[in-house]
Amino acid sequence: NAGVTQTPKFQVLKTGQSMTLQCAQDMNHEYMSWYRQDPGMGLRLIHYSVGAGITDQGEVPNGYNVSRSTTEDFPLRLLSAAPSQTSVYFCASSLAGANRINEQFFGPGTRLTVL
Amino acid sequence: AQSVTQLDSHVSVSEGTPVLLRCNYSSSYSPSLFWYVQHPNKGLQLLLKYTSAATLVKGINGFEAEFKKSETSFHLTKPSAHMSDAAEYFCVVILYNQGGKLIFGQGTELSVKP
Repeated sequence: NAGVTQTPKFQVLKTGQSMTLQCAQDMNHEYMSWYRQDPGMGLRLIHYSVGAGITDQGEVPNGYNVSRSTTEDFPLRLLSAAPSQTSVYFCASSLAGANRINEQFFGPGTRLTVL
Repeated sequence: AQSVTQLDSHVSVSEGTPVLLRCNYSSSYSPSLFWYVQHPNKGLQLLLKYTSAATLVKGINGFEAEFKKSETSFHLTKPSAHMSDAAEYFCVVILYNQGGKLIFGQGTELSVKP
């Protein structure tokens, strides 16, 4: 299994540009999520999905869109990049279930800089 | 609201000495808690998890944590630090009523001196 994969590893954007961060997992996990990591703030949840066709907002959803057309893929879209979105982005997946304690598996991260 | 607070942003120890990384939680019900580790430029790896079974939880690489309800704490310890333990550590609480979302503490950076 490749686990959770993310592309690209690094990206530099200009303010106002759009792009999509890709995330895929091959573990047949129902639950997928996107986090951003900023110094001194831990990881903050952007959006999550409990299964194909179902998405919901996390703590910091503004400026980001997601969709979940398949179990494997969970792309994160920046519609109009802003310098405040400079961060490291992590995708994670796990077996779903609100009453189950499931380890989330994290991808290696995408380091995004917005100029 | 559920939250976690890591009491130290940076901890420095000498190789071979004990490690203590402190975490306090706030929860309106009995929480489930994790510790994750992140090595430089890497993703996050689960160290251990508390699931209300045993209050003393053993994890990978010799780490363990004790859940203390009276103190609302879940501190991470290791008897003897190794150079490879240098990393950032996150205390995390899971929100069952929100589809299993994770709430992260701010992180503690552990440095290990030779």
